[in-house]
Amino acid sequence: QKEVEQDPGPLSVPEGAIVSLNCTYSNSAFQYFMWYRQYSRKGPELLMYTYSSGNKEDGRFTAQVDKSSKYISLFIRDSQPSDSATYLCAMSWMDSSYKLIFGSGTRLLVRP
Amino acid sequence: NAGVMQNPRHLVRRRGQEARLRCSPMKGHSHVYWYRQLPEEGLKFMVYLQKENIIDESGMPKERFSAEFPKEGPSILRIQQVVRGDSAAYFCASSPRVAGQPGEQFFGPGTRLTVL
Repeated sequence: QKEVEQDPGPLSVPEGAIVSLNCTYSNSAFQYFMWYRQYSRKGPELLMYTYSSGNKEDGRFTAQVDKSSKYISLFIRDSQPSDSATYLCAMSWMDSSYKLIFGSGTRLLVRP
Repeated sequence: NAGVMQNPRHLVRRRGQEARLRCSPMKGHSHVYWYRQLPEEGLKFMVYLQKENIIDESGMPKERFSAEFPKEGPSILRIQQVVRGDSAAYFCASSPRVAGQPGEQFFGPGTRLTVL
């Protein structure tokens, strides 16, 4: 079993839809949760960074963390074709390195 | 404020040659992470360095791979005697970590290594 599970998709939605992306994890030590967006053949771009259960909103993006269920989500409102990319969840825990453990990524396609 | 820079962006090597990948962190960042992304897979941690120190190399293959982050200049990931299985995208991330606190990790554009 992988430490972080993420549905690979692809997820195809019409422009303007609300998108829900999810990850589950098995390691209860994870404390810090991130979402990255990666366009084809580019580096990951940090979208959201949270370290507590609950919601965090930034523009059209909302990150949700439920530590009791070991489940995190990213919601994208009013999705745009430019949101078409691979979305990676990442997690880390309190140790000397805070290295990130990534999900395998979900491919999102927003149709005009 | 320039982002994380990596060069070269593309590198082609024949089996048995050496590959050197360079990473310049964002200004003010003294923490560097290297990750590898194999085709159709997620990113995997390789090594974490601070200036002149390797802090965590738990993700590095035991042989042929090494990393450094000298006092002056970029961080270098070195792969000796490359094999086809080393073909991947290698990403560097830098962080402004304050002691005892995790910092956000900002990624560079990556180096795509192809081994012929």
